[in-house]
Amino acid sequence: GAGVSQTPSNKVTEKGKYVELRCDPISGHTALYWYRQSLGQGPEFLIYFQGTGAADDSGLPNDRFFAVRPEGSVSTLKIQRTERGDSAVYLCASSPNMGTEAFFGQGTRLTVV
Amino acid sequence: QKEVEQDPGPLSVPEGAIVSLNCTYSNSAFQYFMWYRQYSRKGPELLMYTYSSGNKEDGRFTAQVDKSSKYISLFIRDSQPSDSATYLCAMKVSGYALNFGKGTSLLVTP
Repeated sequence: GAGVSQTPSNKVTEKGKYVELRCDPISGHTALYWYRQSLGQGPEFLIYFQGTGAADDSGLPNDRFFAVRPEGSVSTLKIQRTERGDSAVYLCASSPNMGTEAFFGQGTRLTVV
Repeated sequence: QKEVEQDPGPLSVPEGAIVSLNCTYSNSAFQYFMWYRQYSRKGPELLMYTYSSGNKEDGRFTAQVDKSSKYISLFIRDSQPSDSATYLCAMKVSGYALNFGKGTSLLVTP
C-alpha cells in the first residue's frame, strides 16, 4: 500500500477483554514504531522494532502490553485484561531505517468500557 | 521535566499571518528533528524533516534548528484556514524512537 495501514480504525471493548491492533507498514520499511496518544497530548512511545526484533520496548506501560512483528513487516499490538485507562488512540509509524523520517498511520481509536 | 517542551496554545491568527511555532528540548544528543501536522481524528502527517542545525524551506513552511540553544521552530507564511490543526514537534537520536512535544493547536481565522 501507499501508506501505513492500521486496523481496525475503531475498537470498543469491555474492561478485562483482550484486544489486538494491527499495523501494516510501508513496504520495505525496516523500522516500525507504536505510540499511544491521549486527548490533548503528544504521542507517547510504546515500542520500536528494527526488522523482526524489538529494539526498544521501554515504553510499554506494563506486562499487559505486548507487540510482535514475526516476519519483519506487519506488527500486532496485543493488550490483555484491558482497563479503562487504556482508552486512547494507538498510532503506528514506519521508516526506511533507523535514522530517517517516520510516517504514521491513521491510528486505532480504542475505547474500553 | 519532559525531554521535549511545547506550548499547547491554542494559537489563533488571522488568515495571511506568519505563524511561529517552537519547541525546546533538553537532550543534546538529538540529531533528527521533525514537524508533524495533525488534523482532528487523523494520524500525524510529516511536514518537515531536518538533520542537525540549520534552516530548511519547503513552500510556505520553514524549519529552523538551533542546537546550541536546544530550540527548534516552524514558520508558516501566508497562513490559510486549512492550516488549522495541531502541530507536533518530534526529535530523535539515531537508533531510538521519536520523542514528541504535546503539540500546539493552531487556528487560522478567515
